[in-house]
Amino acid sequence: QVQLVESGGGVVQPGRSLRLSCAASGFTFSSYAMHWVRQAPGKGLEWVAFISYDGTSRYYADSVKGRFTISRDNSKNTLYLQMTSLRAEDMAVYYCVRGGLGFFGFDIWGQGTMVTVSS
Amino acid sequence: QSALTQPASVSGSPGQSITISCTGTSSDVGGYNYVSWYQQHPGKAPKLMIYDVSNRPSGVSNRFSGSKSGNTASLTISGLQAEDEADYYCSSYTSSSTRVFGTGTKVAVL
Repeated sequence: QVQLVESGGGVVQPGRSLRLSCAASGFTFSSYAMHWVRQAPGKGLEWVAFISYDGTSRYYADSVKGRFTISRDNSKNTLYLQMTSLRAEDMAVYYCVRGGLGFFGFDIWGQGTMVTVSS
Repeated sequence: QSALTQPASVSGSPGQSITISCTGTSSDVGGYNYVSWYQQHPGKAPKLMIYDVSNRPSGVSNRFSGSKSGNTASLTISGLQAEDEADYYCSSYTSSSTRVFGTGTKVAVL
């Protein structure tokens, strides 16, 4: 079945780096744009980053621009989020999300991975 | 990239209809027919309910419908059921090619 499985979350000190991964299965990964969306504890959803199906286009939320990098390896069906200079306000559940094919929407969500930023 | 504005909470009795609004600007909601809606139950990942303003994905109940007028999009749930109690978020494409979510609405079934 169509599935997205995130990994790489954990506890990290402020200012340090962390890389999240998302393994995709059950669909042709290389045909879909992908996103990262996060949700701080008890808060709403926040869009983080977008990457086109072939990796040539990338966009970021202002809150992470210059610190986070989205990338993908279509040969490994894997999406990444490299996070640097982490701040307390980056603490959240990070969801790997598939973009719609031919429409604008997030149609498949992973279960999320928690990133805790604390000294 | 300011969040779209949604009411914090909306409630209704079983069988009633409720509407959740999502207000943005001409740079997002008003500028494109690219509004989507998500349902999130506690501890779960969000689920796509409506895309491109008014389209329902396969498997989503036809009790859910979407519309848009100007800078405001709306999600209507008709025949409210206990299982509809959840948080709902709107999202829109923006003129910067980014995406933005709404502030979220907690739906309570009385």
